[in-house]
Amino acid sequence: NAGVTQTPKFRILKIGQSMTLQCTQDMNHNYMYWYRQDPGMGLKLIYYSVGAGITDKGEVPNGYNVSRSTTEDFPLRLELAAPSQTSVYFCASSYFPGRSNQPQHFGDGTRLSIL
Amino acid sequence: KQEVTQIPAALSVPEGENLVLNCSFTDSAIYNLQWFRQDPGKGLTSLLLIQSSQREQTSGRLNASLDKSSGRSTLYIAASQPGDSATYLCAVTPLSTGGGNKLTFGTGTQLKVEL
Repeated sequence: NAGVTQTPKFRILKIGQSMTLQCTQDMNHNYMYWYRQDPGMGLKLIYYSVGAGITDKGEVPNGYNVSRSTTEDFPLRLELAAPSQTSVYFCASSYFPGRSNQPQHFGDGTRLSIL
Repeated sequence: KQEVTQIPAALSVPEGENLVLNCSFTDSAIYNLQWFRQDPGKGLTSLLLIQSSQREQTSGRLNASLDKSSGRSTLYIAASQPGDSATYLCAVTPLSTGGGNKLTFGTGTQLKVEL
């Protein structure tokens, strides 16, 4: 069972470059999420999606964009990389939260450094 | 704004000891609370999810309790083992998420179980 798959696992970018972090899930989950985790901190929500074609901002959306053209894929794009975006990025997915005992499932993360 | 706090930030115990990790949250209007485990360089694994109407959940050597009125949850680990060494994160889903099941995370407790 693949679950939530993120690529790449590691990346180093120069300031001003752009890149797309890929996330795909094979559990047919409606909901998908992008979080960032800075050292010693909890996870903060960047963007989320409740289904194909529907996305919304989380707590820290500035500098990022997302799209959701299919149920399976939820890519995160950085347009102009800045040092403040150095972080570990996690993608997660879940069923509709109205279903009891349905936790979010997480990928292994993408470690991104902006130099 | 919902804030989630975990104390202690780090904990070291000898193998076999029973231990308690603490989580507190400022707004009791929550949908559920989840406990996650994070191993170094890995994503998050959901351990236990407690709905707001529940008082506790158990899985093997783990027991999580929820006191919504006081804004507290505890994760009890019985007979700790070196393999339990990891960072433990708690997260709440506030009722005011707008339907997105958006989690608010604590900063975690880093647990080390020594031989």
